[in-house]
Amino acid sequence: NAGVMQNPRHLVRRRGQEARLRCSPMKGHSHVYWYRQLPEEGLKFMVYLQKENIIDESGMPKERFSAEFPKEGPSILRIQQVVRGDSAAYFCASSPRQRGITDTQYFGPGTRLTVL
Amino acid sequence: SQQGEEDPQALSIQEGENATMNCSYKTSINNLQWYRQNSGRGLVHLILIRSNEREKHSGRLRVTLDTSKKSSSLLITASRAADTASYFCATDAGQGAQKLVFGQGTRLTINP
Repeated sequence: NAGVMQNPRHLVRRRGQEARLRCSPMKGHSHVYWYRQLPEEGLKFMVYLQKENIIDESGMPKERFSAEFPKEGPSILRIQQVVRGDSAAYFCASSPRQRGITDTQYFGPGTRLTVL
Repeated sequence: SQQGEEDPQALSIQEGENATMNCSYKTSINNLQWYRQNSGRGLVHLILIRSNEREKHSGRLRVTLDTSKKSSSLLITASRAADTASYFCATDAGQGAQKLVFGQGTRLTINP
């Protein structure tokens, strides 16, 4: 079974450009989470999605950031008009159908975004 | 302030010694998880302990949970150079929230 897949692994953008990060969850997983990690820090929750639904976006900046998890295809985290402060590692995690409590989340290798 | 706080921030020991890392949190939880992150890599899930459990083992790993003190510890016995990594505890945010709340991590270095 393939694990959580993310691409690209490294992404370089100039200020003002758009960044699109993709995440394919593990087979059979219908829940996707995005986290951001700044250097030397822990991961910070951004958004939690199920197919075609955003369940919790409490950690996502109100402007420039958006996420989707369409019926078909990977989940996409989109950052418009990137700024240097967006430089970070972005991790996606997935989990199987929830049973009412938080279960194990399996993480992808991350996308390292560098904004020049 | 953060839900999970690891202690110490950095730990350096000799190969073969035991390594103990601690994690404290602030709110009620359903479970607590420990993850390992090698430099520049993704997170690897190590162990999940539920709030009604006090201790759990997995190979050379031993995790304890004290809900009265809102703390957990991760013990790695007979450490190896390959254990060099950052270790994070993560808690659920409670109240049915699905997101994980991570601490800053403990950077463990095993010296050969």
